[in-house]
Amino acid sequence: GAVVSQHPSRVICKSGTSVKIECRSLDFQATTMFWYRQFPKQSLMLMATSNEGSKATYEQGVEKDKFLINHASLTLSTLTVTSAHPEDSSFYICSATRGAYNEQFFGPGTRLTVL
Amino acid sequence: RKEVEQDPGPFNVPEGATVAFNCTYSNSASQSFFWYRQDCRKEPKLLMSVYSSGNEDGRFTAQLNRASQYISLLIRDSKLSDSATYLCVVIPPGFQKLVFGTGTRLLVSP
Repeated sequence: GAVVSQHPSRVICKSGTSVKIECRSLDFQATTMFWYRQFPKQSLMLMATSNEGSKATYEQGVEKDKFLINHASLTLSTLTVTSAHPEDSSFYICSATRGAYNEQFFGPGTRLTVL
Repeated sequence: RKEVEQDPGPFNVPEGATVAFNCTYSNSASQSFFWYRQDCRKEPKLLMSVYSSGNEDGRFTAQLNRASQYISLLIRDSKLSDSATYLCVVIPPGFQKLVFGTGTRLLVSP
């Protein structure tokens, strides 16, 4: 089946640093990928839609200058959390769509802890 | 009204029981529906797509009721390993992005 990978799986960083998370579709090309964030005991919240070769589309309330998205190829999208603060600590998950029925497959997630 | 609504549970059932979850959606023009399963501190995994005619996969049966705008998931002969959060997911018309329900937590006990 489809496989989506994410790297790193876990990050602990100091406040003020930037963190880059990679999302790759391993056996298919994904023109569109999605980035989600999930806080403990809450549902996934879509942050942005990443489009290959064009600018990402951000959901309302998500700062595009803080969460930089680059979708440079059909198999790779990156999310950079700039100047991370403790409130950015969360579980970040990417997904990619495959097939005519738009089934989405999720990466294993990246757990970010900002100290 | 939320776009996708689910009973958060938890549903506590013994092994071998049959349990059913419902999920309602607000946009009557939605075309794609899914059930995902999410284990604690893990990513969601696709459990089933929900087709208009309903579909079954082993112990799992999914149904779509367009008139009442809800989808359901039935789990027969529950296993301990079925304990998880089950997410109802809808794709609104004209979009690729998923809209998630808050999830229904299932706990299967021995």
